[in-house]
Amino acid sequence: DAKTTQPPSMDCAEGRAANLPCNHSTISGNEYVYWYRQIHSQGPQYIIHGLKNNETNEMASLIITEDRKSSTLILPHATLRDTAVYYCIVTGLGNEKLTFGTGTRLTIIP
Amino acid sequence: ETGVTQTPRHLVMGMTNKKSLKCEQHLGHNAMYWYKQSAKKPLELMFVYSLEERVENNSVPSRFSPECPNSSHLFLHLHTLQPEDSALYLCASSHLFSGGPDTQYFGPGTRLTVL
Repeated sequence: DAKTTQPPSMDCAEGRAANLPCNHSTISGNEYVYWYRQIHSQGPQYIIHGLKNNETNEMASLIITEDRKSSTLILPHATLRDTAVYYCIVTGLGNEKLTFGTGTRLTIIP
Repeated sequence: ETGVTQTPRHLVMGMTNKKSLKCEQHLGHNAMYWYKQSAKKPLELMFVYSLEERVENNSVPSRFSPECPNSSHLFLHLHTLQPEDSALYLCASSHLFSGGPDTQYFGPGTRLTVL
């Protein structure tokens, strides 16, 4: 699986959009970009995934660059409950392995 | 609620005890996983079961013994553990071979402390 690089920490004001970047410059054509988050001492929570196109669901939006070498997770209106560690993971179709790095610790500031 | 439950949520055991962690998924998935998360470390994949067959064992010591009696249940049997085995143990499930990407759903974890 391709390696990902994320900033170790970010702050965002409550009510504003939180934009979390991820670099995955070695991603291959059949690999997906996944985002999970982990609130303190809980199990990771699936957020969203994408292959080429931008994706949106009730939790977030995922913007993938045209060359697929980077992506941005957008939480449109951050709340205090969005404070968590966010993991960007690249994995292939049918690959049962998810390799979690150290992620980005997002803190929402009141 | 993710559809994956784990019991117990907290466990304290001595090094000579034998205990088991239980995971149950209500999602109709065909693959289940055990992960370990030690303090200030990334999640580490321990075991993968696909269609009730173990397909992955990431060099886990034999004092950890998984069991998958059916596609909905997964156990992790623990014996003669060491204090460094204290960690958050997470179970996940997914639907492999669905024709789409593999999205894993995690349980809340069992916080294990070995004295």
